[in-house]
Amino acid sequence: DAKTTQPPSMDCAEGRAANLPCNHSTISGNEYVYWYRQIHSQGPQYIIHGLKNNETNEMASLIITEDRKSSTLILPHATLRDTAVYYCIGVKAAGNKLTFGGGTRVLVKP
Amino acid sequence: GAVVSQHPSWVICKSGTSVKIECRSLDFQATTMFWYRQFPKQSLMLMATSNEGSKATYEQGVEKDKFLINHASLTLSTLTVTSAHPEDSSFYICSASIAEGTGELFFGEGSRLTVL
Repeated sequence: DAKTTQPPSMDCAEGRAANLPCNHSTISGNEYVYWYRQIHSQGPQYIIHGLKNNETNEMASLIITEDRKSSTLILPHATLRDTAVYYCIGVKAAGNKLTFGGGTRVLVKP
Repeated sequence: GAVVSQHPSWVICKSGTSVKIECRSLDFQATTMFWYRQFPKQSLMLMATSNEGSKATYEQGVEKDKFLINHASLTLSTLTVTSAHPEDSSFYICSASIAEGTGELFFGEGSRLTVL
C-alpha cells in the first residue's frame, strides 16, 4: 500500500471549512484513498474514500489531484465535535487491510 | 451504519493472568475481522487478521502464542492476551468488513487493558 504523509497537527475555527492535506506520491493505479478519523479514546470512524474522481458525502468532500499524488479532505463547516485525529490511507482494490500512519491531529477551536 | 461492539470496554488485571476481549458484529456477518493495538499518543498498529473458521494471520513481530485469536463464527472474534504483563497495557481495537474487497471497515469502541 502507498505511504501517505500528513501534517502532524492543525487548528481550525469552528464554523469554517477545514482542509486536510495528504500526500501519496507512490500510490498505484488500483489504490483507493480512504479517510478515517479517531476521536479520543474511541475506535476509528470511516469518513470517505475515492479513486480518482472527487467525492462528497454527508460528512465531507474528498478532492483528489489529477495525478493522484495528493488529496484534500474538506470538512465544510467544522464543529467542536470534529476534533480528532484524521488518517489518510491507501488501500488496494479488493483489499481491506488498513495500515494507519501518524495522521493529522485536528483541533477545532471556538 | 454497521455496528461492531467490543467487550469489555476496559479491564484491569494482575500480571501473569490472561484476559479475553470479544469483538462482535451486531447487524452483519464478517468473514474477516482485524485486531489493532494502540499505545498512548501513537497510531493504531495492526496485530492480526482474523478469518472465520481458520487460523489468524499475524503481523510481523506479533507473538501468536501471546495473543490468541479465535474467530469461531461470522459475528464473533476473540483476542486473548495470555500471561499479561504491564507492557501489554494498551488500547485494543477490532474492526470488521461488511464485504470483501472494500477498505470501509467498521471499528469497535476499543478495549483498554491495564496490567498491574
